[in-house]
Amino acid sequence: EDQVTQSPEALRLQEGESSSLNCSYTVSGLRGLFWYRQDPGKGPEFLFTLYSAGEEKEKERLKATLTKKESFLHITAPKPEDSATYLCAVSNSGYALNFGKGTSLLVTP
Amino acid sequence: EAQVTQNPRYLITVTGKKLTVTCSQNMNHEYMSWYRQDPGLGLRQIYYSMNVEVTDKGDVPEGYKVSRKEKRNFPLILESPSPNQTSLYFCASSLGPTNNEQFFGPGTRLTVL
Repeated sequence: EDQVTQSPEALRLQEGESSSLNCSYTVSGLRGLFWYRQDPGKGPEFLFTLYSAGEEKEKERLKATLTKKESFLHITAPKPEDSATYLCAVSNSGYALNFGKGTSLLVTP
Repeated sequence: EAQVTQNPRYLITVTGKKLTVTCSQNMNHEYMSWYRQDPGLGLRQIYYSMNVEVTDKGDVPEGYKVSRKEKRNFPLILESPSPNQTSLYFCASSLGPTNNEQFFGPGTRLTVL
């Protein structure tokens, strides 16, 4: 059975303090690993898809990386507007998505 | 504007009273899916549809039904709602399995008394 574990559950950073979120996974035949951002009361918003170990993608202050067992979402010099819950998900079929429970990030000024 | 819409956004109902939550997308996406989100449990997939008339169960399908008669619509049906179906529900759509950037709707908060 596919499993996705995200850590930490919650993270508090000061503005400008870089850090990383972790997503550990077990899946039989990875078809894709996805990162989403979710603001309170809203639907998740797509950030990245990673398909194979060694792949990296960047968007503004965010960079996602992938190994055979885990993915990291690196946040460089975060701003208060980066505060959100970050969700990781994996797919082994391209259709069914298995989400982790998320990391709640708070960036204080 | 490309979007996924859900209705209603909020619903309070009673046990056993059949209800339907509608979901519609205007992006001509083949793939659509329903999720529920509960504190401490995260997002869990209920059902998904690969195309018109093609659906399959996700992780938590018990107590739910879906249909996909048109490409743009994917309603979620609760034939006899129970209190344990109180949750926040999201509909999502994407082009397909090789491009699984899912676009999520705004959510429907359901309370079953």
